[in-house]
Amino acid sequence: DVKVTQSSRYLVKRTGEKVFLECVQDMDHENMFWYRQDPGLGLRLIYFSYDVKMKEKGDIPEGYSVSREKKERFSLILESASTNQTSMYLCASRDRLNQPQHFGDGTRLSIL
Amino acid sequence: GQNIDQPTEMTATEGAIVQINCTYQTSGFNGLFWYQQHAGEAPTFLSYNVLDGLEEKGRFSSFLSRSKGYSYLLLKELQMKDSASYLCAVLTDSWGKLQFGAGTQVVVTP
Repeated sequence: DVKVTQSSRYLVKRTGEKVFLECVQDMDHENMFWYRQDPGLGLRLIYFSYDVKMKEKGDIPEGYSVSREKKERFSLILESASTNQTSMYLCASRDRLNQPQHFGDGTRLSIL
Repeated sequence: GQNIDQPTEMTATEGAIVQINCTYQTSGFNGLFWYQQHAGEAPTFLSYNVLDGLEEKGRFSSFLSRSKGYSYLLLKELQMKDSASYLCAVLTDSWGKLQFGAGTQVVVTP
């Protein structure tokens, strides 16, 4: 079974802080993704990575950056957290194009 | 732009059948996924359709019509544990990007 692990289930930070969300997968998948999930809006793609040190912007990259130094780990960085970044953040990984993405349990992030 | 529509909420009785429709207009199409998400949990994979027709997997079936930009997920013999949000997602390009609908909350009543 694929295991995608996100470092925190709940996180509370203050406006202006730099926030790191970590994601690790154990199946040697090349592709990894970061989404945010908001009520009524569904999952929206922030960034994805198709290989180590490679990254591509998704639909809503503003205010975020990512890092992929090792194949198994994909980090999402909020450079200067703002209240509108309060959300559920989900990480996913995938093997090949027509294979499903496997999701972590999510991090519920609150920015005060 | 990308547009994926599914109903917000559906209610059905235990033992009944429910059909969740999904219509899409996307810039590309490489297949359609259905996921189930219980409250506070990760989405889990249910089905994948890339060719027209019906795919059956136990109590769950999924149908695709590419010419109509339409899919549905059919849940049979509903159980209380099927109460969850069901997400329709279109694979829009060769990078594996998924565009998600907002999800359909299914409530199963006794």
